[in-house]
Amino acid sequence: EAGVTQFPSHSVIEKGQTVTLRCDPISGHDNLYWYRRVMGKEIKFLLHFVKESKQDESGMPNNRFLAERTGGTYSTLKVQPAELEDSGVYFCASSRDALSYEQYFGPGTRLTVT
Amino acid sequence: AQSVAQPEDQVNVAEGNPLTVKCTYSVSGNPYLFWYVQYPNRGLQFLLKYITGDNLVKGSYGFEAEFNKSQTSFHLKKPSALVSDSALYFCAVRGYTGGFKTIFGAGTRLFVKA
Repeated sequence: EAGVTQFPSHSVIEKGQTVTLRCDPISGHDNLYWYRRVMGKEIKFLLHFVKESKQDESGMPNNRFLAERTGGTYSTLKVQPAELEDSGVYFCASSRDALSYEQYFGPGTRLTVT
Repeated sequence: AQSVAQPEDQVNVAEGNPLTVKCTYSVSGNPYLFWYVQYPNRGLQFLLKYITGDNLVKGSYGFEAEFNKSQTSFHLKKPSALVSDSALYFCAVRGYTGGFKTIFGAGTRLFVKA
């Protein structure tokens, strides 16, 4: 089966601009997660979707971040307006159900805000 | 609060020698513990997990990890390292009261020298 895919792989934008990251989970996986890793630090949880509903968005840094998952398939994460501290690698992961402990990760999107 | 500590930024080992990548955790209730590996330009790959049962768990690529409740540790081990094991390793924990949010450590870079 195809793995989790993310687009774009890299994005360089200026402070104040808007960027939208996309994640396509493994087909049939209802659970979708967003994480972020800032240079050299731990991977931090951002939020968790179950189908199209936000199960847990406690990790979202602030209201400049907006995640959606229309139709319960792919998800987008929009940052508007971007700030320098938003730079990092954004990972998406999916799992078949809430009891599936293993999460399948995408390759990540490296976001650089200049 | 849940937390994961990986005390070593980098571990260096010669090919053929045993390797250990350390991880300690803090969580309320029974922990669910995981190791993931990230190769360059790839997403995180699941290696192994401890949920319950035998304290020594075996995973992919010959890796194993030992759960030690008294020391709150979950060190990753391999009897004989390969150059191809060189990668970034992440320990993660999900506590019983943590819902479906997984907490990751900062990662340890393993370098295996031929």
